[in-house]
Amino acid sequence: AQSVTQLGSHVSVSEGALVLLRCNYSSSVPPYLFWYVQYPNQGLQLLLKYTSAATLVKGINGFEAEFKKSETSFHLTKPSAHMSDAAEYFCAVSETSYDKVIFGPGTSLSVIP
Amino acid sequence: NAGVTQTPKFRVLKTGQSMTLLCAQDMNHEYMYWYRQDPGMGLRLIHYSVGEGTTAKGEVPDGYNVSRLKKQNFLLGLESAAPSQTSVYFCASTPSGSPYEQYFGPGTRLTVT
Repeated sequence: AQSVTQLGSHVSVSEGALVLLRCNYSSSVPPYLFWYVQYPNQGLQLLLKYTSAATLVKGINGFEAEFKKSETSFHLTKPSAHMSDAAEYFCAVSETSYDKVIFGPGTSLSVIP
Repeated sequence: NAGVTQTPKFRVLKTGQSMTLLCAQDMNHEYMYWYRQDPGMGLRLIHYSVGEGTTAKGEVPDGYNVSRLKKQNFLLGLESAAPSQTSVYFCASTPSGSPYEQYFGPGTRLTVT
């Protein structure tokens, strides 16, 4: 069965510092992996996705994530945090079927001026 | 394009009352989903639809019913609301052949007292 864990329900970084949000997954088959962002009082928006092409995936707003099969991880990074990055971030996994996208519990990112 | 819209945005129900949440999309997407979002639990799939006239159960279907009579609309019904159904409900859609990126509506905040 698929599952997603996100280490740290809340992460705080200073403006300009590195952002690192952790995601580990379990899947019985090679997965499809996603990061979504949710700004306050809004729906989720896709940041980036891994679909078995390049292991380093670049997304919107300067975010990127690296798929590491040996570690079953898909951590999200951004070199320099901006105030506008403050939001909730969700990692998600899917196997081959579209009806089984499993979301992690989310990590709330705060950016300190 | 309006994208995915949800009606209403907020609702307060008393235990035992019924209501229907409406999701509409103008992107001609085949697949539509209903999720609930609860603190610390990410998004959990309630029901989904792979096309007009078809629906299927997700992870947490109990207490909910759905209908997809028109391709652009996906209705979520609560026949007898319970306090445990207090949550934020999100609708999402995705085009056929592209199961990865889900387009989310802005959410409906439901409180059951």
